[in-house]
Amino acid sequence: GENVEQHPSTLSVQEGDSAVIKCTYSDSASNYFPWYKQELGKGPQLIIDIRSNVGEKKDQRIAVTLNKTAKHFSLHITETQPEDSAVYFCAATPGGSYIPTFGRGTSLIVHP
Amino acid sequence: NAGVMQNPRHLVRRRGQEARLRCSPMKGHSHVYWYRQLPEEGLKFMVYLQKENIIDESGMPKERFSAEFPKEGPSILRIQQVVRGDSAAYFCASSPRQAGGSGNTIYFGEGSWLTVV
Repeated sequence: GENVEQHPSTLSVQEGDSAVIKCTYSDSASNYFPWYKQELGKGPQLIIDIRSNVGEKKDQRIAVTLNKTAKHFSLHITETQPEDSAVYFCAATPGGSYIPTFGRGTSLIVHP
Repeated sequence: NAGVMQNPRHLVRRRGQEARLRCSPMKGHSHVYWYRQLPEEGLKFMVYLQKENIIDESGMPKERFSAEFPKEGPSILRIQQVVRGDSAAYFCASSPRQAGGSGNTIYFGEGSWLTVV
């Protein structure tokens, strides 16, 4: 089955800096990659996703890049704000499957 | 537009009791997923259901755990004879169609936090 590795486990930045979270996946058949943000005591919320026919996608301060050859994808957050502090999860889903496999999460802390 | 509704939000059970967690998917969604999240860990898949069918339960422990999604009413995750190791957050997610590879996103509820004392 699919295996997703996510790094770093913890990321601490100053307000206004950029943050980058990286994930690798094992199944070359994976073709859909969502990212979720989870605040304390709440459920994961989708923030952006990318499909394998696209190399990059942006939504305001958030962007995701995908390198299919290397089987890795990354989340980029620019101009970080304290409200960006949360746990971020990446996921990968093989084309023949229907079950997203999640990384272990990255705890992002943005210091004011 | 109501999102995925889970209840109870918090549940405390003594060892050996039963826990029942309920999930109502988003309106128009007929696919339900259950994930478990242990402290400091990611989201582990447990089971995927459609109405009246279990499609994939490969992540479900073989004993004490069961799930259903009846024709009417919410999906239910049932844990019998709970043990301390069952303490975790249980998340339900739903999608309008088969998710993932086709690009259909799954949307999560706020979770049910089970504590076994």
